Amino acid sequence: DAGITQSPRYKITETGRQVTLMCHQTWSHSYMFWYRQDLGHGLRLIYYSAAADITDKGEVPDGYVVSRSKTENFPLTLESATRSQTSVYFCASSNKENTEAFFGQGTRLTVV
Amino acid sequence: EDQVTQSPEALRLQEGESSSLNCSYTVSGLRGLFWYRQDPGKGPEFLFTLYSAGEEKEKERLKATLTKKESFLHITAPKPEDSATYLCAVQGGTGGFKTIFGAGTRLFVKA
Repeated sequence: DAGITQSPRYKITETGRQVTLMCHQTWSHSYMFWYRQDLGHGLRLIYYSAAADITDKGEVPDGYVVSRSKTENFPLTLESATRSQTSVYFCASSNKENTEAFFGQGTRLTVV
Repeated sequence: EDQVTQSPEALRLQEGESSSLNCSYTVSGLRGLFWYRQDPGKGPEFLFTLYSAGEEKEKERLKATLTKKESFLHITAPKPEDSATYLCAVQGGTGGFKTIFGAGTRLFVKA
């Protein structure tokens, strides 16, 4: 199906483990983003990418790693998960600057 | 520092009772202001983009307006299906094309 999909939808992991959240879009959008959403904070940008092999930090990048070897995929890795990384993670894409973003359904991550 | 503040945090309306949501922003060189709707357990869904003060956009019962300091989302004669969280976001200032989101307004419309 066309669109932007995230996997898994739900994930429980233990403190210290590495976990990767997947994001795939079928529009060939240049820009892709990772946000986390927490009560009282709204959506905060973790990392973004303007094109394949081009990534940059957002507002809250510590503890996260991204890569973008193909335009359509933008995985987010938590190298050593901490309880403070318990959150809902959203991936988004957009066609160009200053335009709307299209969001995935989110991944609810719980770190125990 | 670039900032987006939404008010109120929550709003309860009766069906048909019109009201407005506020989004105040502090950013130099606004490139775009966005409104999104988010339903529980789902990702935000795009509603409007506004680019310059004085601009207005409408969609069904929703109308978005923009000034140099704030944006309003007016809801006319809301229905229960309008219940959702409404998010405001801006691009511009020191963030370039990175988008800064407000915390949102949770709207409840009772039949």
